[in-house]
Amino acid sequence: SQQGEEDPQALSIQEGENATMNCSYKTSINNLQWYRQNSGRGLVHLILIRSNEREKHSGRLRVTLDTSKKSSSLLITASRAADTASYFCATDEGNAGNMLTFGGGTRLMVKP
Amino acid sequence: EADIYQTPRYLVIGTGKKITLECSQTMGHDKMYWYQQDPGMELHLIHYSYGVNSTEKGDLSSESTVSRIRTEHFPLTLESARPSHTSQYLCASTDRYEQYFGPGTRLTVT
Repeated sequence: SQQGEEDPQALSIQEGENATMNCSYKTSINNLQWYRQNSGRGLVHLILIRSNEREKHSGRLRVTLDTSKKSSSLLITASRAADTASYFCATDEGNAGNMLTFGGGTRLMVKP
Repeated sequence: EADIYQTPRYLVIGTGKKITLECSQTMGHDKMYWYQQDPGMELHLIHYSYGVNSTEKGDLSSESTVSRIRTEHFPLTLESARPSHTSQYLCASTDRYEQYFGPGTRLTVT
């Protein structure tokens, strides 16, 4: 079964607006990561938040983690047309292989 | 830009053909992974490796096989391709937590 489920599945906003994506998961985790995927390409790592952290920032990205609710959110502030992509959360349950379980992704479109 | 490469980028082949998808990384990472992803959907882990001579099957059942003879090389082979294998195949590697992905191979089996 799917570990991470993302909401919304698709999001369309105007340039300059903020975009918020949510991720829910089912099991205990070691860390949670967010990745970006441009159409037809591989994934690029954006940010990692550990299970003992509640919030993390990187440039225009802000990630929160609520382990009691098993949920995370990714906020992109002042969005740009170049932010148009799919965004995936991935959970690391602390297994020996550092394997990740990916959510279904949020498809973000930023209109210029 | 990650130093992980996949070839070919696109492949269209007929049913029953044997194919090998190549993946190489120059970062010296021990752990490598193969994922299958249908367009716009989540990634499913099909194979992984802890290091040389180590290979394991992932969560998603796959008719493919992998090998890991060298640290930098992790090829995936389909002995007899079928239309159900049509998908995008992504290779990744890591030395700790963050995974680095190749650009993917988009496979179409006719």
